[in-house]
Amino acid sequence: NAGVMQNPRHLVRRRGQEARLRCSPMKGHSHVYWYRQLPEEGLKFMVYLQKENIIDESGMPKERFSAEFPKEGPSILRIQQVVRGDSAAYFCASSNPWREPRGDTQYFGPGTRLTVL
Amino acid sequence: GENVEQHPSTLSVQEGDSAVIKCTYSDSASNYFPWYKQELGKGPQLIIDIRSNVGEKKDQRIAVTLNKTAKHFSLHITETQPEDSAVYFCAAGGKLTFGQGTILTVHP
Repeated sequence: NAGVMQNPRHLVRRRGQEARLRCSPMKGHSHVYWYRQLPEEGLKFMVYLQKENIIDESGMPKERFSAEFPKEGPSILRIQQVVRGDSAAYFCASSNPWREPRGDTQYFGPGTRLTVL
Repeated sequence: GENVEQHPSTLSVQEGDSAVIKCTYSDSASNYFPWYKQELGKGPQLIIDIRSNVGEKKDQRIAVTLNKTAKHFSLHITETQPEDSAVYFCAAGGKLTFGQGTILTVHP
């Protein structure tokens, strides 16, 4: 039973380029969360999605960041026109809200480490 | 929104000793409190969690206690081993709000 998968594991971009981060949830999970971790800090919530629907994007920067979770395929976190401050580790987590009593448990992927030159 | 404070930021113990990490939270509506262990270069790994209808939960060497009145919860690791060395994060809520992390070092 594969866990949460993220790719790429490492991504290097130059300022102004686009970064696309992918997340495949754990089998049977329908909900995905994205978190950002700056060096030597805790994780910060960005966005919560289910297939074809954004449930909560209160942690997403207003510009350049977007997320989707299509009916087929992985969830995508997209960062346009990257800047050096976007350098961080981006983690995806998945859950199955309809599985009681542990529906709120989130399982994390290995992360994508983005470096902006 | 929720705010989680975690202490200490670093903790150094000898192998076999106990380690305790404490967290406080601000939102009295929060009812889910997981703890994650993160090793260098890896994603957070869930090690134990507790819900607000329970005051204490134990899994082998790891235990978590929750005081809803005081809005704090703690992680207890007994008989620590060098492989317990990692960064530990507490969290609260549905869209998890994380503490700042505790770097635990267990010396052989």
